[in-house]
This record gives sequence, structure tokens and C-alpha cells, in this order.
Amino acid sequence: EAQVTQNPRYLITVTGKKLTVTCSQNMNHEYMSWYRQDPGLGLRQIYYSMNVEVTDKGDVPEGYKVSRKEKRNFPLILESPSPNQTSLYFCASRTRTHSYEQYFGPGTRLTVT
Amino acid sequence: GQQLNQSPQSMFIQEGEDVSMNCTSSSIFNTWLWYKQDPGEGPVLLIALYKAGELTSNGRLTAQFGITRKDSFLNISASIPSDVGIYFCAGQSGSTNAGKSTFGDGTTLTVKP
Repeated sequence: EAQVTQNPRYLITVTGKKLTVTCSQNMNHEYMSWYRQDPGLGLRQIYYSMNVEVTDKGDVPEGYKVSRKEKRNFPLILESPSPNQTSLYFCASRTRTHSYEQYFGPGTRLTVT
Repeated sequence: GQQLNQSPQSMFIQEGEDVSMNCTSSSIFNTWLWYKQDPGEGPVLLIALYKAGELTSNGRLTAQFGITRKDSFLNISASIPSDVGIYFCAGQSGSTNAGKSTFGDGTTLTVKP
């Protein structure tokens, strides 16, 4: 089954404790992105990657890191999480073709205390 | 960065009524997409629009790409309870910035049986 998976689905952590949210897709997509969703603010793009070893900042990259060492994986790293990073995070992927349709993962609910 | 203004923010309607929502931008987009997010899940693509003036239908859903390329609307006819969710518009600028996606803040739809 074609899908985007994220782990963990739920995470409660404390300020300053490094964490990684994994994202994997099995569709051989070139493009992958991370978004955060906050009430009233819609989906805001954090980082995106257009291929292996090619990443770029989205609209809200501060406090986040990403890497793209393999085509299927695009982990999101919070080196020193803070309470304002409490949010719902989505990973998405798509092909490089004309369609622009993104396939979203199920989301990761992160709480930083 | 680019911003999309999506309205209305929320709608409460009776089953069977028609729904209309729209997105406007100060920037030109080459592609407009409409997604729906069910509670607890990631967004799923409903309709993609690739040409100014294009009108596309998907069942009871109809969307149009504005002539100015700065706006789009989505109509849902004869709403049913399963139409409940958050609807997002998204814009893509094109190949020069192909990895970047901009989303509206969403329209939350509630349908009363």
C-alpha cells in the first residue's frame, strides 16, 4: 500500500531534550516536506527536500533541522525543543511531475512542557 | 513569504445545503489545489487546477482557478454529514520554486443532519 508513515504519532517531552520524528514514504517520491499545523494558522511548511541531499527552508524553519540521506526517509530533528514547538506535525511527499499532489502522513502530535 | 487568505474560517450548515469557500492571494500561483482533512488524519487532495480560468468537478465538488491566477473557489453541492472536516487551499508557484507550498488557514465545515 502506497503511504507516508510517521513515528511517533504522539510524543510528550520536556524543554531542551533533543528529539527526532521520522518520516518514510514507499512511493519513490522525489519531493518531501514537513509542516506544522496550529489552530487558526493552517499548515505552515517547515522544510522541504527536492531530492537526496537537497533540502531548503520553508516558511517556519527556526528551531528545526532535517536531513535527506535516503530517498525514502526525511527525519525532522528538534535539537532543543521549546514549548512554542508544541504542535501537530505532518510529513508529505510527492513526485517531481506536473501534478503537485502531496500525500500526507497521519501526523505527529508533539507536546513540549 | 506568500500568504493565502481563505474564507470563511468556519461554516455551520444544514445537510443538503450548498457550500462555497474561496482563497485569495497577493501573489500569482501557477497551480491551485484543494485538500480536505478529516479529524485525526492528514489532508487528502480533492481537486487540482493547473490553468487560469479552469473549472474542474469531482462529484459534488467544483473548483475554479481564477483568471487573475490570484484566487480560487471551491463549491460543494448538496452537503452530507461526511463532508465535515477542514478544507485547505494550497498554491504552487511553479518550477522555479517547485518545493515550496503555501496553504490557506483552512475552512472548518460542520454539517448538521
